[in-house]
Amino acid sequence: NAGVTQTPKFRVLKTGQSMTLLCAQDMNHEYMYWYRQDPGMGLRLIHYSVGEGTTAKGEVPDGYNVSRLKKQNFLLGLESAAPSQTSVYFCASLPLGQGGTYEQYFGPGTRLTVT
Amino acid sequence: GNSVTQMEGPVTLSEEAFLTINCTYTATGYPSLFWYVQYPGEGLQLLLKATKADDKGSNKGFEATYRKETTSFHLEKGSVQVSDSAVYFCALSGGSYIPTFGRGTSLIVHP
Repeated sequence: NAGVTQTPKFRVLKTGQSMTLLCAQDMNHEYMYWYRQDPGMGLRLIHYSVGEGTTAKGEVPDGYNVSRLKKQNFLLGLESAAPSQTSVYFCASLPLGQGGTYEQYFGPGTRLTVT
Repeated sequence: GNSVTQMEGPVTLSEEAFLTINCTYTATGYPSLFWYVQYPGEGLQLLLKATKADDKGSNKGFEATYRKETTSFHLEKGSVQVSDSAVYFCALSGGSYIPTFGRGTSLIVHP
C-alpha cells in the first residue's frame, strides 16, 4: 500500500499561472480532503469530497477548484495563482463508517511558492 | 460549532524530561479525539486516539486520556527523546466527517 501520495512535491509558480495538484489514495477511502498549512495558522480546509463525483467547500475555498472524477483521485486546481497561495498543501483521506471514529491518512505534502 | 484549543509553543525540553501538551475541546455529543504528529518535512500521522470517555490512547510512550468532565485530552510522555521533536496536533471528529484541528504545538527536545 502506498497510502496517500501527492504530486508534485515542490513547485514554483509565477503570479497568474495555473497548476493542478494531484492526490491519489489506494485504500478505497470514501472521503478526501485538501488542506493548506501556513505558519501559525494550523491546518485550514480548502475543499473536501464525500464520494466520487461530489465536492464541497471548506473554510478557505476561494481561488481553488477541485474535482473527484475517480474515487481514488482528488485534484486541486489553482486557475490564477497569487502570492497569498504560497503554502504547503496536504491531501488526506478517511474511510467511511462508525461515526467519525476513524483517523485521517495524510499525504507527504506539496510545497508551493508563488512569486 | 466544534473547537479545539491546544497550548501554544514552542515547548522546549531537555532529553528525558516529562512532557505535557494541553488540549481542550468544545463539541456537541460524544466526539472521538486524536493526537497527530508531524515530523519535519512530512505529513501528519496518527499518534493515538480515544473514541469514548475515560478511554486512554497510547503509542510510542505517549498517552492521553479522554476526560469528558473537563473536556480535555492532554498528551503526556514520561521521558522525551530528541527524535520526538515535531509538531503535535490535537483533533476531534464529531461524526460529520469534517475533523476539527487545533493549531498545533511545536516540541523541541535538546540533547
